[in-house]
Amino acid sequence: EAGVVQSPRYKIIEKKQPVAFWCNPISGHNTLYWYLQNLGQGPELLIRYENEEAVDDSQLPKDRFSAERLKGVDSTLKIQPAELGDSAVYLCASSLYGGASQETQYFGPGTRLLVL
Amino acid sequence: AQTVTQSQPEMSVQEAETVTLSCTYDTSESDYYLFWYKQPPSRQMILVIRQEAYKQQNATENRFSVNFQKAAKSFSLKISDSQLGDAAMYFCAYRTPINQGGKLIFGQGTELSVKP
Repeated sequence: EAGVVQSPRYKIIEKKQPVAFWCNPISGHNTLYWYLQNLGQGPELLIRYENEEAVDDSQLPKDRFSAERLKGVDSTLKIQPAELGDSAVYLCASSLYGGASQETQYFGPGTRLLVL
Repeated sequence: AQTVTQSQPEMSVQEAETVTLSCTYDTSESDYYLFWYKQPPSRQMILVIRQEAYKQQNATENRFSVNFQKAAKSFSLKISDSQLGDAAMYFCAYRTPINQGGKLIFGQGTELSVKP
């Protein structure tokens, strides 16, 4: 079974430029999460999807961040415009809501963003 | 609000020896899940072990086991017969109930080094 796939793995951009990250969850997983991990800290939730609906986006800075999950599968997280403080690792995770292992979230390899 | 605390920023163990990583958490819930994740330099967050709060028996996965003390809100990870590949950052995580978002709340992490 393929794991969570994320791309790109690394991205370097200049401040004020837009950037987008893509995530493909584990097949059949209906719940998808985006986490932000700053250097030396644990990840923090940005947004959670159940199918195509964003059910928790309270921690997403909506002035510059946006996300979508069309058709309830792949998801894209966008930042526009990027700021220096956005330099971090962006992790995507998925889980199967209602399944026997619904409580376990499986993570992708992350996208490391550097804003210059 | 739920919180997770890992009081050991760094730990070191000799190869083949045993090491215990500490974690405490705070919650008013009675039914929840706890996890230990491993994050090597590649940044991939890998599930090590999980514990359901309603189970009194401590979870075990090969060389990894936990000491779950619900009343004390303590959840330590024991690694037996440590191997060089165990070197990584270890995160303790608490999962909020589904009706509160089902998100993971992570501790600050413990950097484990394994000496040959």
